[in-house]
Amino acid sequence: DVKVTQSSRYLVKRTGEKVFLECVQDMDHENMFWYRQDPGLGLRLIYFSYDVKMKEKGDIPEGYSVSREKKERFSLILESASTNQTSMYLCASSSLRDLLGSNQPQHFGDGTRLSIL
Amino acid sequence: QKEVEQNSGPLSVPEGAIASLNCTYSDRGSQSFFWYRQYSGKSPELIMFIYSNGDKEDGRFTAQLNKASQYVSLLIRDSQPSDSATYLCAVRRGSTLGRLYFGRGTQLTVWP
Repeated sequence: DVKVTQSSRYLVKRTGEKVFLECVQDMDHENMFWYRQDPGLGLRLIYFSYDVKMKEKGDIPEGYSVSREKKERFSLILESASTNQTSMYLCASSSLRDLLGSNQPQHFGDGTRLSIL
Repeated sequence: QKEVEQNSGPLSVPEGAIASLNCTYSDRGSQSFFWYRQYSGKSPELIMFIYSNGDKEDGRFTAQLNKASQYVSLLIRDSQPSDSATYLCAVRRGSTLGRLYFGRGTQLTVWP
């Protein structure tokens, strides 16, 4: 089974802090994704990566950056945390080519509930 | 127009009934379609995917795809209270390598 591990389930930080959220997958997946999920707004894509050292902006990249130095690890960085970044953050990974062709389901980690005070 | 739209619900059905969840998408070039289930406070988990027109069955779940009408649905037969969750529809467009576009989800409640 695919295992996507997020470093923290719950995290509390203060406004202005630099915050790191870590995600590791053990299936040698090429693709990795960071989402945030808020009530009524659904899943919103922040950033994604197709390969090491590559990154693409999603729909809401402002205030965030990412790092992918190794294939299995994808980090989300809040440069200067603000209260409107309080949310559930979900990491996901997928294979560029899965066994059945190009269906590429994404597999999610357990999520990090981040509170910015 | 949103990429993927779902009825927000909530949808409420009695135990043993068929629950029908619907999803429409805007990009005619979309190729793969996924249904995820998300329990409250948990992360989404994949239930099924479908990429050919028609029906695909897996236990109590049936996914239906109609590319001409640009809709995909999920039927849950013999609904159980444990099926109570939010169901997310996701679509992979033909032009994207791995990105999925998610609907906002439909909340389903199955009452005993």
